[in-house]
Order: sequence, then C-alpha cells, then structure tokens
Amino acid sequence: QSVLTQPSSTSGTPGQRVTISCSGSSSNIGSNPVNWYQQLPGTAPKLLIYSSNQRSSGVPDRFSGSKSGTSASLAISGLQFEDEADYYCAAWDGSLSGWVFGGGTKLTVL
Amino acid sequence: QAQLVQSGAEVKKPGASVKVSCKASGYTFTAYFMHWVRQAPGQGLEWIGVINPSGGSTTYAQNLRGRVTMTRDTSTSTVYMELSSLRSEDTAVYYCARALTPTAWFDPWGQGTLVIVSS
Repeated sequence: QSVLTQPSSTSGTPGQRVTISCSGSSSNIGSNPVNWYQQLPGTAPKLLIYSSNQRSSGVPDRFSGSKSGTSASLAISGLQFEDEADYYCAAWDGSLSGWVFGGGTKLTVL
Repeated sequence: QAQLVQSGAEVKKPGASVKVSCKASGYTFTAYFMHWVRQAPGQGLEWIGVINPSGGSTTYAQNLRGRVTMTRDTSTSTVYMELSSLRSEDTAVYYCARALTPTAWFDPWGQGTLVIVSS
C-alpha cells in the first residue's frame, strides 16, 4: 500500500491528452513539491518533472505538472507511442522523514 | 555529464547479507547526496535511505532501520548499500540516485542491481 495514491493504469490514443493524478496528505504533497518519474520497460526511472511543475532537461513540453493542496497531476498532451511507460509521483514526507512514492500508473498508448 | 554505474546482479540465501556499489562520475562526488530506492518484481518504488558522501551521515527508512547500512569511499567516488538478514521479500532491483539535497529530486539514477534472495 503506497502512501501516495495513483491510478494503476490509464490509456489514450496518439494525439490525445491524458492526465495522471497523485493524491497524498498534508505531511507530503500538502507541504512539499512533487516530482514525477518515467520508467520505460526494463529501464531505470528517469526524472520527468521536478518541483511540481518544472520539466527536466530534454523533456518535451508535451509533459506538464501541477499541484494543488494535497494532490498533484501529470498531463501528457499530443500522446505518442513512445510515451508508453510507468509513471511515478514522489514527495518528501515530513512526518516520516523520508521519501514516499505513488504505486505507479501504467500508460498504454492504443 | 553525471553517471552512476552499479555493481552486478547478486543471488543470496535467506539470512545472508548483500552489498551493492554505486560508482559516480562526471561531477563532484561530495557535492551531492545519494539515495537508494528499490523495486520488487512487478511492484512500485520504495525509498531505502540517503547518504551524504561529504561527511558520511545517513538517514534510513523506518521499516529497514537496523538492517541497512550505507557507506561511501571518497577516494573512488563510490557509495555502498548493505542489507543484512535477507528475506525473500528483499528480492528487488536496487537503484542509487543522486540528489542535490536530501529533499531534492533524484537525477540521474543508476542502471539498477538485481538482488535475488532464494534458498
């Protein structure tokens, strides 16, 4: 059971816009920035979005992040087949004094 | 550019210990913290802890405290993560990942080290 809650899966067709939600609490998302990681099949996670809404170097502007209260979202517009991956949200939790992750969302591009 | 290269896969018996290494290059080793994260087969990511390569101070996840030890060797720019009293539930891919501060984002990540615990 992950501390941050994400949908287990989502899907879209090429060109479509999809969003992935991440829900937490006051001790993590409510008081700290959220980071998003993309994990392509069989590879290590890669930083996608940091500080809730900043794109990492080289990440296309099709990817965007936002945060409000104790929830955060990752939006992917102009969906492409290469976006098919697992996506994880993460935040520092002040009560646990450690990092917490969402359970991951598997994105399928149909 | 910064690069993290981890040691190879390990197979261990229950009750044994494993030590995984992570060699850093392309940046000032002592200027960044190093986190460890693991991923059980088909599962999500779990934070293990963090080490400050500058002074060697560590912070561990509550559920692994007492079984995990992180160390560093500044002469070779390498950090180590040792997990003891291994159980089958410790079977996972273990990643190291760099961060500017303990609460900053992880970038980059190592390629991962598969640890299998099996009798």
